[in-house]
Amino acid sequence: DVKVTQSSRYLVKRTGEKVFLECVQDMDHENMFWYRQDPGLGLRLIYFSYDVKMKEKGDIPEGYSVSREKKERFSLILESASTNQTSMYLCASSFFGQGAYNSPLHFGNGTRLTVT
Amino acid sequence: AQSVAQPEDQVNVAEGNPLTVKCTYSVSGNPYLFWYVQYPNRGLQFLLKYITGDNLVKGSYGFEAEFNKSQTSFHLKKPSALVSDSALYFCAVRDIGFSGGYNKLIFGAGTRLAVHP
Repeated sequence: DVKVTQSSRYLVKRTGEKVFLECVQDMDHENMFWYRQDPGLGLRLIYFSYDVKMKEKGDIPEGYSVSREKKERFSLILESASTNQTSMYLCASSFFGQGAYNSPLHFGNGTRLTVT
Repeated sequence: AQSVAQPEDQVNVAEGNPLTVKCTYSVSGNPYLFWYVQYPNRGLQFLLKYITGDNLVKGSYGFEAEFNKSQTSFHLKKPSALVSDSALYFCAVRDIGFSGGYNKLIFGAGTRLAVHP
């Protein structure tokens, strides 16, 4: 089974802090994603990466950046945390290649971030 | 632009009764549709997908979904609900604005299913 591991289940940070959310997958997937989940809004894509050092903006990238130095690891960075970034953050991965367009995403258990 | 809508915030059903969670979509071209489930304090788990072929798709945990092209719907169904099916359910469509293997999905807002004993 694919395992996507997010390093923290719960985080509490202060406004203005720099925050790192870490995600590791063990299936050699090329694609990795960061989503934000808010009640009534579903999941919204922040950033995704299709290869090491490659990244693309999703639908709500403002206030976030990402890093992918190794294939298995994809980090989400909040440069200066704000209270409106309080949310559940979900990491996901999938493979790249023929047939990838209909392959499911594999999700981690999420990190619930509270910014005070 | 591609989109999905889940018109019900919550669905309540008695254990043993059939359940339906609704999803409608809007895409240009052929849709690639997915259902995911999220149990409390967990990430999303894949349930089933429609790519092409039979309109009735079978998935995990006894769930199935019916694709209806004329109604642009992809409703999730189960013949007999269990209390353990209580969870948050998300419908998703592949964003065909992205080519290749990016597999970017657009998610609905989610429907909370509550199955009562």
